[in-house]
Amino acid sequence: AQSVTQPDIHITVSEGASLELRCNYSYGATPYLFWYVQSPGQGLQLLLKYFSGDTLVQGIKGFEAEFKRSQSSFNLRKPSVHWSDAAEYFCAVGIGGGNKLVFGAGTILRVKS
Amino acid sequence: DTAVSQTPKYLVTQMGNDKSIKCEQNLGHDTMYWYKQDSKKFLKIMFSYNNKELIINETVPNRFSPKSPDKAHLNLHINSLELGDSAVYFCASSQANGADTQYFGPGTRLTVL
Repeated sequence: AQSVTQPDIHITVSEGASLELRCNYSYGATPYLFWYVQSPGQGLQLLLKYFSGDTLVQGIKGFEAEFKRSQSSFNLRKPSVHWSDAAEYFCAVGIGGGNKLVFGAGTILRVKS
Repeated sequence: DTAVSQTPKYLVTQMGNDKSIKCEQNLGHDTMYWYKQDSKKFLKIMFSYNNKELIINETVPNRFSPKSPDKAHLNLHINSLELGDSAVYFCASSQANGADTQYFGPGTRLTVL
C-alpha cells in the first residue's frame, strides 16, 4: 500500500540555521511528490512539487527538495530558517494518476530566536 | 479574492444532527476534493469529483454524502453526526484530473458534542 513517512514529529531550529525535513514514501510506480505547509488555523499551501526531470526542485519561500529514487526520499531543505517558517509541514505522494494525495503525518517546525 | 472558500469556518453541533459544509472555488478548476484532518493532524482524502462526477470515494461511512451542483461547488453533507466525526474538513481543487497542484480551502472545524 502507498504510504508516506515523516520520521520527525517535531523539529526545533534556531533562526538563521539550516533546515532539513525528512520524507520517505512507499509507492510502486513513479511518484508525484509534494510538500505543503500549514500555518495554525490555516489551509495547506503548496511549497513545491516533483513530477519528473531535475531531481532538485525549487519552491516558494526559499525551500527546495531533492528526490532520491534509490532512497525513496523527498527531503525538504532551507538554508536559513526565518521565524515565519514556524508551521506544520506535510509531505505527500500523488497516486492514481496523481490526483489522489496520500499525506504523511506532518512535521511541526518550531523556530527559536 | 479567495480561491477556495468554505462555509462555515466553525461548526458545533450535537450528536445525531445532520449538517452540511459548503465549498466553492473560483479558479475554474475541473476537480474538487474533500479531506478530513483528525485530531492528530492526519490528513486523508475522502472524495473527489471531476466535472460533477465522483471519481474517488474512499472508505467513508455512507453518512457522508458529497454533492456537486456544478463544477465550482462541492458540498459535504453529513447525516447522524457522531463524536468521531469531529475534525477539520478541507476542500481542495485542481485544474484537471491528474497530478496538478491542489489548492486548499481554509478548513471547517467540526465539533460534535
